[in-house]
Amino acid sequence: DVKVTQSSRYLVKRTGEKVFLECVQDMDHENMFWYRQDPGLGLRLIYFSYDVKMKEKGDIPEGYSVSREKKERFSLILESASTNQTSMYLCASSLGGGPDYEQYFGPGTRLTVT
Amino acid sequence: DQQVKQNSPSLSVQEGRISILNCDYTNSMFDYFLWYKKYPAEGPTFLISISSIKDKNEDGRFTVFLNKSAKHLSLHIVPSQPGDSAVYFCAASAPNTGNQFYFGTGTSLTVIP
Repeated sequence: DVKVTQSSRYLVKRTGEKVFLECVQDMDHENMFWYRQDPGLGLRLIYFSYDVKMKEKGDIPEGYSVSREKKERFSLILESASTNQTSMYLCASSLGGGPDYEQYFGPGTRLTVT
Repeated sequence: DQQVKQNSPSLSVQEGRISILNCDYTNSMFDYFLWYKKYPAEGPTFLISISSIKDKNEDGRFTVFLNKSAKHLSLHIVPSQPGDSAVYFCAASAPNTGNQFYFGTGTSLTVIP
């Protein structure tokens, strides 16, 4: 079974703090993704990576950056957290690119910025 | 701008009856569609998919129908079971968007025993 783990289930941070969300997958998947889920907006793609040290912007990259130094790990960084970044963050991975490859999701990190 | 829409935020169905979840999209370039299911405190899991060359795909109790002219797809669950209670997201991808899936807003299904 594919396992995607996220470092925290719940996180509370203050406005202006630098926040790191970590994601690890154990199936040697090439592609990794970061989404945020908000009521009435569904899942929106923030960034994805198709290889180590490679990254691509999704629909809402503003205020975020990512890092992929190792194949199994994909980090989402909030350089200066703001209250509008309070959300559920979901990490996913897939073996390959394109729709034929199922995305496997982690359990999510509920981030609250106060 | 939301390219994939699920206009019903919630749906309640009696156990044993049919559940029909709907999804509309605006981008005519979308050629692959998926449904994901999400339980509370868990990540979404893949349920069923359909390519635009088909109009129906069936997997056990789950059937997805695609109407390309109407830019509409639906997920039918027959018979519905209490364990089907979850949030369902439809998603779509286009050839020129590479790895990106566009997700809908989700429909929360409650199956009443």
